Amino acid sequence: AQKVTQAQTEISVVEKEDVTLDCVYETRDTTYYLFWYKQPPSGELVFLIRRNSFDEQNEISGRYSWNFQKSTSSFNFTITASQVVDSAVYFCALSKTSGTYKYIFGTGTRLKVLA
Amino acid sequence: DSGVTQTPKHLITATGQRVTLRCSPRSGDLSVYWYQQSLDQGLQFLIQYYNGEERAKGNILERFSAQQFPDLHSELNLSSLELGDSALYFCASSVGGTREETQYFGPGTRLLVL
Repeated sequence: AQKVTQAQTEISVVEKEDVTLDCVYETRDTTYYLFWYKQPPSGELVFLIRRNSFDEQNEISGRYSWNFQKSTSSFNFTITASQVVDSAVYFCALSKTSGTYKYIFGTGTRLKVLA
Repeated sequence: DSGVTQTPKHLITATGQRVTLRCSPRSGDLSVYWYQQSLDQGLQFLIQYYNGEERAKGNILERFSAQQFPDLHSELNLSSLELGDSALYFCASSVGGTREETQYFGPGTRLLVL
């Protein structure tokens, strides 16, 4: 069975601090996709990144970086020098690459960045 | 602005009723996805349409149905509504509907069943 666990329900940091959001997944598939989405207070879901299970390279996009480790089934998300605008709920998701379509979301982590 | 539009933004109705949620994908996108976000179940994938045909089915109840029309807009029909159906319903679209594509989400329709 597929499962995505985001154990951190809520995190509060002060502006300019670095913060890491954890995502641990379970799947029996050898190939899969992992995603991160942001849901700001306005409610819409914003795609942040997609990672193919073949590609274990870490990725950096501005202040955002992602650490994918197959050995620990984790796909963690780090925000460097956090800003108030980063305050949102962040979701990690897992998708099969073939066969029956399954798209599983974690329960989300609410990040509060305080000024 | 993702380019995906959803109407209405808010909907209040009573148990047992039927409602229709509408989604217009981004220009050029052939695939539409529906998701439900509720306090109990979190975010769940419901169903995907590609160019008018159902492509994938998730945790969609039998009381719910969807379709995609020739102009590519999609409607999600919810019937015999229950209190537990109260949720935020998102529509997303992508170009071709393959699994590695980015999905662009609409602002959602907030449904409240009283």
